[in-house]
Amino acid sequence: GAVVSQHPSWVICKSGTSVKIECRSLDFQATTMFWYRQFPKQSLMLMATSNEGSKATYEQGVEKDKFLINHASLTLSTLTVTSAHPEDSSFYICSGATPSSTDTQYFGPGTRLTVL
Amino acid sequence: AQKVTQAQTEISVVEKEDVTLDCVYETRDTTYYLFWYKQPPSGELVFLIRRNSFDEQNEISGRYSWNFQKSTSSFNFTITASQVVDSAVYFCALSEATDYKLSFGAGTTVTVRA
Repeated sequence: GAVVSQHPSWVICKSGTSVKIECRSLDFQATTMFWYRQFPKQSLMLMATSNEGSKATYEQGVEKDKFLINHASLTLSTLTVTSAHPEDSSFYICSGATPSSTDTQYFGPGTRLTVL
Repeated sequence: AQKVTQAQTEISVVEKEDVTLDCVYETRDTTYYLFWYKQPPSGELVFLIRRNSFDEQNEISGRYSWNFQKSTSSFNFTITASQVVDSAVYFCALSEATDYKLSFGAGTTVTVRA
């Protein structure tokens, strides 16, 4: 149980375009979802926390107008990278947590974004 | 401030050697959770263990064992009789009960040579 999927698993786009990444909890209701970014050979850094039906809370230094997060249902959160630039190339990982187990996050497989 | 410190950046061993990965954490919360994750080259995070701050019992799972010492704020991880498949990046992480956000350490790259 507690499976999280991400789509797409990888994406290549041109600079200036927008890219949407989906994160789905397949067998549980994720009231809270988290988005992380991982640059090559670095650790995971939390970008934002989203609760279903509410606006996302962004970590310091993360541009909320550039990284749009929508958590419209208990099983789906989306991250849209707007006007992507090469420096946005990274590995984006989402995770979900349930109300009964907020201390445990279930991670998706990640999405590798390459901006040319 | 760095909440989780993994002192070793890279460790290289020969198969069947034991490997110990250090993790030191920092928190003011009395209730917190510690995790270890494995990240193989595919990138997907593999959950290894979760330990809450009130449970200081050490744990063994197959070739994996964990040593939680609150007195030194450490949560070390040992792989016994390492295998090539253990080659990966290992992350220690901390979650505080105040917000449950995960803070990851920098990771330790383990390379096991045949």
